Amino acid sequence: EAQVTQNPRYLITVTGKKLTVTCSQNMNHEYMSWYRQDPGLGLRQIYYSMNVEVTDKGDVPEGYKVSRKEKRNFPLILESPSPNQTSLYFCASSEMVGAGNTEAFFGQGTRLTVV
Amino acid sequence: GQNIDQPTEMTATEGAIVQINCTYQTSGFNGLFWYQQHAGEAPTFLSYNVLDGLEEKGRFSSFLSRSKGYSYLLLKELQMKDSASYLCAVMDSNYQLIWGAGTKLIIKP
Repeated sequence: EAQVTQNPRYLITVTGKKLTVTCSQNMNHEYMSWYRQDPGLGLRQIYYSMNVEVTDKGDVPEGYKVSRKEKRNFPLILESPSPNQTSLYFCASSEMVGAGNTEAFFGQGTRLTVV
Repeated sequence: GQNIDQPTEMTATEGAIVQINCTYQTSGFNGLFWYQQHAGEAPTFLSYNVLDGLEEKGRFSSFLSRSKGYSYLLLKELQMKDSASYLCAVMDSNYQLIWGAGTKLIIKP
């Protein structure tokens, strides 16, 4: 089954404690991205990757890191989480952009609370 | 700046028809997407328009006018399971998706 898997689904952590949210896709997609979703603001892109070892900042990259060492995995790292990073996070993947209808497939979401 | 506007919330009756509008101002245009998102779940793809006109897919249709920077999603024969948020997104000249805040659709019996 084609899917994007992210873990954990729910996470409560304390300010400053490093954490990683994992994301893996089994569709051999080149393009992967991370979003955060906050009430009234819609999806905002944090980072994206067009291929292995190629990553770029999205609209709200501050406080986040990513890596793309393998095509299937795209982890999101919060080195020192702060309460303003409390949000619902989604990982998404798609075939290479620019190819027309590049439908994005989303992971189940990670609800992060930083206290 | 880039901007996607859609109504925050709409209410409709089961069995009826509802139209959700989306207007956009973006740097370039490489297609417009509609996604459905049930509360607490991931968005799922509904439709894609890159040329002007109407695309029909079962009970759902999506319309695009590039000259007006306007799209709508039309849902017919509404069912209770259609209660969800509907997200409009435009792919800009850099092939990045710009997302609207979403329209929460409430279906009443």
